[in-house]
Amino acid sequence: QLVLTQSPSASAYLGASVKLTCTLSSGHSSYAVAWHQQQPEKGPRYLMKVNSDGSHSRGDGIPDRFSGSSFGAERYLTISSLQSEDETDYYCQTWDTGIRVFGGGTNLTVL
Amino acid sequence: QVQLVESGGGLVEPGGSLRLSCAVSGVTFSDYYMSWIRQAPGKGLEWVSYISSSGTTIYYADSVKGRFTISRDNAKSSLFLQLDSLRAEDTAVYYCATDQSRYSNADFHYWGQGTLVTVSS
Repeated sequence: QLVLTQSPSASAYLGASVKLTCTLSSGHSSYAVAWHQQQPEKGPRYLMKVNSDGSHSRGDGIPDRFSGSSFGAERYLTISSLQSEDETDYYCQTWDTGIRVFGGGTNLTVL
Repeated sequence: QVQLVESGGGLVEPGGSLRLSCAVSGVTFSDYYMSWIRQAPGKGLEWVSYISSSGTTIYYADSVKGRFTISRDNAKSSLFLQLDSLRAEDTAVYYCATDQSRYSNADFHYWGQGTLVTVSS
């Protein structure tokens, strides 16, 4: 079964970097994932796709402070030079024929 | 500029029906598969259904199978979701999003702002 696991919360200091993790279920370590950001009371915004080889492609207008990487079944979203507006929810997402799957989301606090 | 605008949400009693619409502009609608995703109050995102660019291939999440029906009108660049036999647990904000195309995987590049469906007596 295709499942994505995220930590419910993360925190980091203003101006620092944070690495959010999304773990693919057993047998699915070759899958790409997408990362989406959701501000309160707004629709999600596509950030990037992260492939199993660690390559990533950002969405339109996404600053290069946002980057992606991979290791095994883990897919990462790294946000550098943290800003106050980065304090919000982040979801990873993947896909297969007949199904689309979201992780439970990570709420990021900027200290 | 790509825009997805959902409409049709509202308050409905358990067992009732509702039809959601999603108007798409700024992309060639017929190039894209489309998905509906929902978010219950205070919860995470849950994929509901997707439809192929031609409308011939459709999939649903188990939680809505047999009760919801997705459709599209490529001539009007519009996506629809018919919600029948509604339950309290269907209460959520419903989003439409672009799905896979020849330009992208099924990674939801564009999203709407959502429409709220509340199922309550």
